[in-house]
Amino acid sequence: DAGITQSPRHKVTETGTPVTLRCHQTENHRYMYWYRQDPGHGLRLIHYSYGVKDTDKGEVSDGYSVSRSKTEDFLLTLESATSSQTSVYFCAISDREYSPGELFFGEGSRLTVL
Amino acid sequence: GQNIDQPTEMTATEGAIVQINCTYQTSGFNGLFWYQQHAGEAPTFLSYNVLDGLEEKGRFSSFLSRSKGYSYLLLKELQMKDSASYLCAVRDKAYSGAGSYQLTFGKGTKLSVIP
Repeated sequence: DAGITQSPRHKVTETGTPVTLRCHQTENHRYMYWYRQDPGHGLRLIHYSYGVKDTDKGEVSDGYSVSRSKTEDFLLTLESATSSQTSVYFCAISDREYSPGELFFGEGSRLTVL
Repeated sequence: GQNIDQPTEMTATEGAIVQINCTYQTSGFNGLFWYQQHAGEAPTFLSYNVLDGLEEKGRFSSFLSRSKGYSYLLLKELQMKDSASYLCAVRDKAYSGAGSYQLTFGKGTKLSVIP
């Protein structure tokens, strides 16, 4: 199994507060992703990173920012959480650009915004 | 963009065979993936098709027809532990320029295996 951990695993917060989710990998994989999963929508890409300090937006990036200062860590920040950001957030990693592109997922972080 | 359709739910009997279909409409295509996700857990990779035909991996097989925009996942000798959601995902052909192709996921098919 790929060494990938997310923290916190569960968080309850209030509307308007900042939230940071952390993804940590021990595989030295180049690519890291943040997805959110909601009933009726499936997995949707928020942001991804293709190297240290190299990030780009995904399908649902509004209201989110990311940072990657080290290969092993990819942070997702909600500057001012809203109830629509209540979701399960998954981090994923991959080391392959051109071949199958298998993703390895973390255990998920369940965020509730009241 | 991508549009991916798969049935929301399916039920099958232990020991039987089940086929989960996935149809897609894409502006570009560079591979189709199947993932398994047990309730409350992370998705795990099952299979990958980029060329037409059948890929077999133990009890699981995946088929692709690029001309029809169609794939299926075939599960044989069903076991109770196969109860899970199965996610179809398509990789876009468009190279983003940022060093990564993107996967777009369908909403998933929840499979219930009953005794």
